[in-house]
Amino acid sequence: EVLLLESGGALVQPGGSLRLSCAASGFTFSNYAMSWVRQTPGKGLEWISAISGGSRSTYYADSVKGRFTISRDNSKNTLYLQMNSLRAEDTALYYCAKVRVPASITEYFDYWGQGTLVTVSS
Amino acid sequence: DIQMTQSPSTLSASVGDRVTITCRASQSISRWLAWYQLKPRRAPKLLIYEASSLESGVPSRFSGSGSGTEFTLTISSLQPDDFATYYCQQYNIYWTFGQGTKVEIK
Repeated sequence: EVLLLESGGALVQPGGSLRLSCAASGFTFSNYAMSWVRQTPGKGLEWISAISGGSRSTYYADSVKGRFTISRDNSKNTLYLQMNSLRAEDTALYYCAKVRVPASITEYFDYWGQGTLVTVSS
Repeated sequence: DIQMTQSPSTLSASVGDRVTITCRASQSISRWLAWYQLKPRRAPKLLIYEASSLESGVPSRFSGSGSGTEFTLTISSLQPDDFATYYCQQYNIYWTFGQGTKVEIK
C-alpha cells in the first residue's frame, strides 16, 4: 500500500523558515518523481514544486521560486521542502504527491498525503 | 502559463442527481487532464486521468470527457459519499489546477 506522510508544518513568523518532510512507503521511491502542492481557502490547489526521481531535475512555481527548495533522500524514502522568507500568503495545507509513471515527471498524481499545515503569522 | 477555469464554483444537488462539472483550459492540452476529489482531513483522491480514464477502484458513476480545451466530469447518480470538492488539473505543461467545485447537499 502506498503511503505518504507529511510532517513539519507549524506556526512561523513572516520572514522565517521551515522544512517540510514527506515519508514515503509502499513503492520504489527512487523511481518516481514527486511534487508538493498546497491548498488555501482562497486559491484552492496550487502546484508549487516537483523533483525527478534521481534529483537531476527540479521545477518551481513562480510564486515560490528563489524562496523554496525541493530535495529528496532516496536512501530514506523522504521528500523535503525547504521554505525560506515565508510570507503570509504561504499559509496553506501542504501536500506531497507521487507521479504515476516511473521515470516521468510531467504526469498526473496518483497518490497524495493528508497534508501538513503551515501558518505564517506574527 | 496554462490557466484552468472550472465551473461552477459551488453546486447544490440531491442524492441521485446527475452532476456535471466543466473545466476549460486557456490553450489546448490534448487529453492531459485529471480530476481529483478532496475531502477535509483526507488525502486527495485521483478519479480520472487522460480526460476519460477511470482510476482503478473509482465507482463507474464517475466519468470524464473532452479534449483540447473543454472537459467535463460527470457523476451519473450522486451518492452521499460524493459530497466533496472536485478539482481538474492539466499536466500538459507543468501542472495547473482549476479553482475547484464544491458539491453540497441541496
